[in-house]
Amino acid sequence: GQNIDQPTEMTATEGAIVQINCTYQTSGFNGLFWYQQHAGEAPTFLSYNVLDGLEEKGRFSSFLSRSKGYSYLLLKELQMKDSASYLCAAATGDYQLIWGAGTKLIIKP
Amino acid sequence: NAGVTQTPKFRVLKTGQSMTLLCAQDMNHEYMYWYRQDPGMGLRLIHYSVGEGTTAKGEVPDGYNVSRLKKQNFLLGLESAAPSQTSVYFCASSYSSSGASEQFFGPGTRLTVL
Repeated sequence: GQNIDQPTEMTATEGAIVQINCTYQTSGFNGLFWYQQHAGEAPTFLSYNVLDGLEEKGRFSSFLSRSKGYSYLLLKELQMKDSASYLCAAATGDYQLIWGAGTKLIIKP
Repeated sequence: NAGVTQTPKFRVLKTGQSMTLLCAQDMNHEYMYWYRQDPGMGLRLIHYSVGEGTTAKGEVPDGYNVSRLKKQNFLLGLESAAPSQTSVYFCASSYSSSGASEQFFGPGTRLTVL
């Protein structure tokens, strides 16, 4: 079957670093997306990885290991505004998206 | 550019009533999608469209119908609402197929069915 897993909730401290993991099993694979969703708002695109390795975008980085079916989102220098849910989504072989349930990140001062 | 817009933002229905949710995008995207989002679950695809005049079923299509008469608009209809359809509905669009490009989401419609 196809599934995607990520932790339900994580807590971190302002200024610190947090890593949100995502594991997936899909029929074929065409890349891994990360989206951010603030409470009551729409998801917004953060990153897309299709090749193994680390992609860095400012304070946010995303990593992919295709052989392990594993990705993570790394957030550095955490700010209060980073409190949100982070959704990972895997693109299958026929270009459908399988969405994780999201990880709610709570930032404490 | 407004991006992706949805109307209405909130709606309360009684069981058995019907309604239509409207999605519009001004980015000239070919692909459009309707999702529902429920607590503790990932986004689930209801229906999608790969171009004007075409629609296809997603993961949870039962109880919903869609139409894409114009490229910029994608309508989601509930013919006879049920409490199980209480959810937040998101419309999204993308330049190419979902596995190859980012999706742009509308602000959502919060629907309650009593």
